[in-house]
Amino acid sequence: KNEVEQSPQNLTAQEGEFITINCSYSVGISALHWLQQHPGGGIVSLFMLSSGKKKHGRLIATINIQEKHSSLHITASHPRDSAVYICAVRSYNTDKLIFGTGTRLQVFP
Amino acid sequence: NAGVTQTPKFRILKIGQSMTLQCTQDMNHNYMYWYRQDPGMGLKLIYYSVGAGITDKGEVPNGYNVSRSTTEDFPLRLELAAPSQTSVYFCASSYDGSPNQPQHFGDGTRLSIL
Repeated sequence: KNEVEQSPQNLTAQEGEFITINCSYSVGISALHWLQQHPGGGIVSLFMLSSGKKKHGRLIATINIQEKHSSLHITASHPRDSAVYICAVRSYNTDKLIFGTGTRLQVFP
Repeated sequence: NAGVTQTPKFRILKIGQSMTLQCTQDMNHNYMYWYRQDPGMGLKLIYYSVGAGITDKGEVPNGYNVSRSTTEDFPLRLELAAPSQTSVYFCASSYDGSPNQPQHFGDGTRLSIL
């Protein structure tokens, strides 16, 4: 079983829909990252969080440390949001990032 | 700032050939990392460096070597390319190793070994 599990693996949506991507992890962590991988391959850091909730534009990330679960929400989705979204956790023991396999999101007009 | 720059973007190698993947950053970051991304798998750490002259193995170091002679550059060397090294390689950097520091990624190098 992977230490970081994301769901769903693939997600399609119509423009304007509310999107939720989930991340569950099984190790102790000092931080959780959400990353966006563009269709061209580049990876961009979206959020780092260790508790609570963060918001940036139409993106919201939440984390529940007790339940070892995080969600990434996209409000009013747009075709330009189409990308792979990757959850990564900073292991408390090793200080290294452990990556999920990603969620591929396609938003259609 | 260009951020993290990787070259080349694509490369095809024959089995047994060697090559160096280049990575440079202009953010004066101390920490640098090399990851590989295989289909259906999460990124795996190959090597990392906490500063010039200091490197250490990650999760999957076999078949690779690195050096860090300057703060800016962190090249990854494949000495005897094998088909199992076909992957997309990402270089990343961070200011330091603290949990609240994001990692900045390059655009990746897609490498095929035939």
